[in-house]
Amino acid sequence: SQTIHQWPATLVQPVGSPLSLECTVEGTSNPNLYWYRQAAGRGLQLLFYSVGIGQISSEVPQNLSASRPQDRQFILSSKKLLLSDSGFYLCAWSTTRNSPLHFGNGTRLTVT
Amino acid sequence: TQLLEQSPQFLSIQEGENLTVYCNSSSVFSSLQWYRQEPGEGPVLLVTVVTGGEVKKLKRLTFQFGDARKDSSLHITAAQPGDTGLYLCAGYDMDSNYQLIWGAGTKLIIKP
Repeated sequence: SQTIHQWPATLVQPVGSPLSLECTVEGTSNPNLYWYRQAAGRGLQLLFYSVGIGQISSEVPQNLSASRPQDRQFILSSKKLLLSDSGFYLCAWSTTRNSPLHFGNGTRLTVT
Repeated sequence: TQLLEQSPQFLSIQEGENLTVYCNSSSVFSSLQWYRQEPGEGPVLLVTVVTGGEVKKLKRLTFQFGDARKDSSLHITAAQPGDTGLYLCAGYDMDSNYQLIWGAGTKLIIKP
């Protein structure tokens, strides 16, 4: 069966520090991968998606970047965090562009 | 901007009552998904509806896709405290190159 791992679960970082959130998927090949940010108790905002290694599409210009160094690994990064980067970050995968998403348990990022 | 309007945004009812959550749009969706999310976790897929007029049941939950595939509803019969959570709808928008559009969510609280 397929599983998705996302870490860390919580993170507190000072303004101006770098960020690296990692997500890995097991049990499937060539998944579509996604990074979302969610405001408290509300809907999801797509940040990045990837259909293959090295292929990243950015949906919202911002202080963040994403990379896909391996087929089932997706990384969300920032060189210098801003207060506004605080939020709940979710990684997800799907088998095709039009299939349901399967989410990790998220990372609660607090920038202080 | 494509919109998937979800209502109500918040609902607090007593155990045993019935409720309906709605997702409406002017766009046509190739499919529509419903997710439930608990605090601190990622959304979990409940159901996908694909055919206009389709009705799917998941125990006490009934999901319906509109005939024109522009809207959907989730009806819960005899709600229980375990139904508490954030309910999200999401649809692949045929008018926008199959972008996945998310509703803003319905926060549901079932009081014992």
